[in-house]
Amino acid sequence: AQRVTQPEKLLSVFKGAPVELKCNYSYSGSPELFWYVQYSRQRLQLLLRHISRESIKGFTADLNKGETSFHLKKPFAQEEDSAMYYCALQGAGSYQLTFGKGTKLSVIP
Amino acid sequence: NAGVMQNPRHLVRRRGQEARLRCSPMKGHSHVYWYRQLPEEGLKFMVYLQKENIIDESGMPKERFSAEFPKEGPSILRIQQVVRGDSAAYFCASSLLQGLDTGELFFGEGSRLTVL
Repeated sequence: AQRVTQPEKLLSVFKGAPVELKCNYSYSGSPELFWYVQYSRQRLQLLLRHISRESIKGFTADLNKGETSFHLKKPFAQEEDSAMYYCALQGAGSYQLTFGKGTKLSVIP
Repeated sequence: NAGVMQNPRHLVRRRGQEARLRCSPMKGHSHVYWYRQLPEEGLKFMVYLQKENIIDESGMPKERFSAEFPKEGPSILRIQQVVRGDSAAYFCASSLLQGLDTGELFFGEGSRLTVL
């Protein structure tokens, strides 16, 4: 069975401080990992995927297969980063995304 | 492109009634997914459909729940004889390519079902 764990329900940081949103997964094969974000009053949308190795809005995420983690990081938080962040996993050959419960990031001015 | 459209946004039903949730995918998308989010939980996969075909319904409860995506018109998630435990947000998503090849789902705003 595959599982995604986001241990922090709520994370508050000051503007300009570094941010790390934790994501751990359980999957026996090689997964595809994603971060989705939902800003206030907006739809859930893709932020980044590990295969593209992009930096989106200053966020990066590295897949660590040894630690089965895919933490989302940003060196300097901005107020507009305040949102719900969901880590998601896609198993090989699967049509499904398995989501974590989400972490609410609050950036304090 | 208006994006994925879901209606109704809010639906209240009494126990035993039927709930119908509609989803129109993004223009040009022929792959539709339904997810359910219970309070304080992550989104849980329910079903994946293409036009006139159910591809994967492994996340759907075996009873009372059904989904369709007809040749014409929106996808419909139908819940018969609703119970309080069905109260949740139901999200529809669509993709351009089959089976999440791009990894990107485009989500609707969700339909919030409340069962009294």
